[in-house]
Amino acid sequence: DSGVTQTPKHLITATGQRVTLRCSPRSGDLSVYWYQQSLDQGLQFLIQYYNGEERAKGNILERFSAQQFPDLHSELNLSSLELGDSALYFCASSASDSKQETQYFGPGTRLLVL
Amino acid sequence: AQSVAQPEDQVNVAEGNPLTVKCTYSVSGNPYLFWYVQYPNRGLQFLLKYITGDNLVKGSYGFEAEFNKSQTSFHLKKPSALVSDSALYFCAAYNFNKFYFGSGTKLNVKP
Repeated sequence: DSGVTQTPKHLITATGQRVTLRCSPRSGDLSVYWYQQSLDQGLQFLIQYYNGEERAKGNILERFSAQQFPDLHSELNLSSLELGDSALYFCASSASDSKQETQYFGPGTRLLVL
Repeated sequence: AQSVAQPEDQVNVAEGNPLTVKCTYSVSGNPYLFWYVQYPNRGLQFLLKYITGDNLVKGSYGFEAEFNKSQTSFHLKKPSALVSDSALYFCAAYNFNKFYFGSGTKLNVKP
């Protein structure tokens, strides 16, 4: 158990809908990272937050947004969902925003868009 | 374009034999390099990382990785494979505030 929790574990929704994925980092970790793992795109880095502020942006679509709250949990919002958004979404946390820090991954949220 | 390549989709090795999982990168500058492992229905777990210094990096579960700057490679190795090492392995590079992941290599260790 990494100490990173993600809810929900599974999510089934329809095209055009909006969903919110939640991540709670390990106790004391200030950085949260979001990743998408899909069959055709592999594993992709989406975005990083550190202590409430956006720090790095990867291949995140404009339909997607994220935020980190004062209690350090983070939410990834996916809107106008398409079939191709079906994937496993991971969050990870680390103690600081240094990329030398080890990232600890949550178990993921499996999203299925029908 | 920046990228990380894992040329083998699958690697098969017998238990007790040495294993190598290959990774090459095309990322500008001096990227940080990482290896992660993913077991079925689980999230990724960190194995090891290269930031700077010694080209041979030791990590978790007896794994090590060899950094070769001239060949822009970061191959994962283990002297003696275990059946429990069977999993999906990802190589990643970080530079300029972005992570780049390889497509993953499935390692099958047979008894």
